[in-house]
Amino acid sequence: AQSVTQPDIHITVSEGASLELRCNYSYGATPYLFWYVQSPGQGLQLLLKYFSGDTLVQGIKGFEAEFKRSQSSFNLRKPSVLWSDAAEYFCAVGGYGNKLVFGAGTILRVKS
Amino acid sequence: DAGVTQSPTHLIKTRGQQVTLRCSPKSGHDTVSWYQQALGQGPQFIFQYYEEEERQRGNFPDRFSGHQYPNYSSELNVNALLLGDSALYLCASSRSGFEQYFGPGTRLTVT
Repeated sequence: AQSVTQPDIHITVSEGASLELRCNYSYGATPYLFWYVQSPGQGLQLLLKYFSGDTLVQGIKGFEAEFKRSQSSFNLRKPSVLWSDAAEYFCAVGGYGNKLVFGAGTILRVKS
Repeated sequence: DAGVTQSPTHLIKTRGQQVTLRCSPKSGHDTVSWYQQALGQGPQFIFQYYEEEERQRGNFPDRFSGHQYPNYSSELNVNALLLGDSALYLCASSRSGFEQYFGPGTRLTVT
């Protein structure tokens, strides 16, 4: 069965500190992996994606993620968090042309 | 270039009523997927339309149905509304299976 686990429901970091959001997935075939961000009352914005190739992928807004097949993980990182990064972050897995399966999300709070 | 658009933004319905939500995909996209996001949860896949046909379906009852038009726009219909259908309904479009881009959603409240 396809599933995504985001172990942290809430994370609070100070502005300027580094960030890592965890994501573990279960998928029977070659996974396509995504991170989306959602501000309150808004839709989802695609931050980055992994299809194949280099396991470290760069996204928008200074985010990056690393695919580790042996750990079934796709953690999102940012070296220096901005106050404007406060939002909810969703990890998702899917196959080519297939539905996306989302995790429950991690709410990021940023302390000024 | 307009992104994915959805209408209406908000909707309030009564139990037992029917509702239709609309989605226009991003220019150049031919595939539309619908997701339901209940409060405090991640989006759940409802179904996907490609070439005017339902290509995949998630674990939702037949009360949820859809349609895709030749211009790739799509509708989501929900019959016999239940209180549990209250959620944010998200439409996502993609180009033949590549990454999905989401619209702002329609907030449906069932009273």
